[in-house]
Amino acid sequence: ETGVTQTPRHLVMGMTNKKSLKCEQHLGHNAMYWYKQSAKKPLELMFVYSLEERVENNSVPSRFSPECPNSSHLFLHLHTLQPEDSALYLCASSQVFGLSPLHFGNGTRLTVT
Amino acid sequence: KNEVEQSPQNLTAQEGEFITINCSYSVGISALHWLQQHPGGGIVSLFMLSSGKKKHGRLIATINIQEKHSSLHITASHPRDSAVYICADYNTDKLIFGTGTRLQVFP
Repeated sequence: ETGVTQTPRHLVMGMTNKKSLKCEQHLGHNAMYWYKQSAKKPLELMFVYSLEERVENNSVPSRFSPECPNSSHLFLHLHTLQPEDSALYLCASSQVFGLSPLHFGNGTRLTVT
Repeated sequence: KNEVEQSPQNLTAQEGEFITINCSYSVGISALHWLQQHPGGGIVSLFMLSSGKKKHGRLIATINIQEKHSSLHITASHPRDSAVYICADYNTDKLIFGTGTRLQVFP
């Protein structure tokens, strides 16, 4: 148990579907992150929220839309995805962005058909 | 451009061997992270360091700021150490990840 919970663990969706990934942490951390991990590529930072405000968006396509309603919850809303978006999506949290250890969830394995 | 490179990409070892994984970065750091990812995807933070050396059990992480290089050592390796080891460089609000080193330890 890492303290960061992601749901669902697996998701298969069509290109016209709308779905959401959920992340929850009760570690009292102030920063939460969405990462994408594609096969044989480094982890890619997608979004960072610090104190519920978005502080970084690495030019992620608009078909990915994050939401951070409070410091414990983070969502990633998905719509009109492409097959190349199939990947492992990981949520993480830390006390402070970058300067404290990261706590990762187990990830959501997304397949876009 | 800040780049993080790891070597080797793949590593196999016999149980009990001493393991070294290397990480080089191109820009000065505020903090260097070492992470472990097991099959199935879960990632665990092993170390975060900005100077010197840290030790936790059989794991040791060192960093040389002048050479922009960090190493992760595993003493008395065990099959349960089999995983992907990832380093990441935090600098000026950017967290850049290496591609990882896949370690397999055989009994």
